[in-house]
Amino acid sequence: GAVVSQHPSWVICKSGTSVKIECRSLDFQATTMFWYRQFPKQSLMLMATSNEGSKATYEQGVEKDKFLINHASLTLSTLTVTSAHPEDSSFYICSAKGLEVAYEQYFGPGTRLTVT
Amino acid sequence: AQSVTQLGSHVSVSEGALVLLRCNYSSSVPPYLFWYVQYPNQGLQLLLKYTSAATLVKGINGFEAEFKKSETSFHLTKPSAHMSDAAEYFCAVSVSGTYKYIFGTGTRLKVLA
Repeated sequence: GAVVSQHPSWVICKSGTSVKIECRSLDFQATTMFWYRQFPKQSLMLMATSNEGSKATYEQGVEKDKFLINHASLTLSTLTVTSAHPEDSSFYICSAKGLEVAYEQYFGPGTRLTVT
Repeated sequence: AQSVTQLGSHVSVSEGALVLLRCNYSSSVPPYLFWYVQYPNQGLQLLLKYTSAATLVKGINGFEAEFKKSETSFHLTKPSAHMSDAAEYFCAVSVSGTYKYIFGTGTRLKVLA
């Protein structure tokens, strides 16, 4: 139980284009989803928290207009990196929190984004 | 505010030796604590979690951790290291109220043959 998937697992895009990453909770309803960014050999940095049906809450220093987050349903959240640049290249990981266990997050496998 | 500190960004042990990865937390309320393992280019895998029940928590792959309130620690141990344990390990605390996670900086475990 508590499986979270991400799609795609790896994406390459050209500078200036936008790319969308999906995060799905497969066997539970995710009231809250979190998006993290991880640079090579570093820890996870929380980018934003999204609750189903409401606007995402972004962490300080994260550009809202660059990283668009949508949590349209209880099983799907999307992260769109707009007008991507090489410095946006990173490993993006989502996690989801359900209703039954409030304090625990379940993590997706991550998406490697490379902007050329 | 809650925080997590992992001492030692790199730890090397011989195969068969004890693994000890350190994690100290700061929290004004009883914390929820987690240890995760990450292999290259993969997501996080939960090893074990502390949720205020037993202070000695057993996890997967032979790992365990002991919650010590007096020392504000939640160190991860494994009696005998295996080559497959080589990975990055993260300690995390769930922030009360928001349930955001605060991650430690990670410890890269190297297992020597």
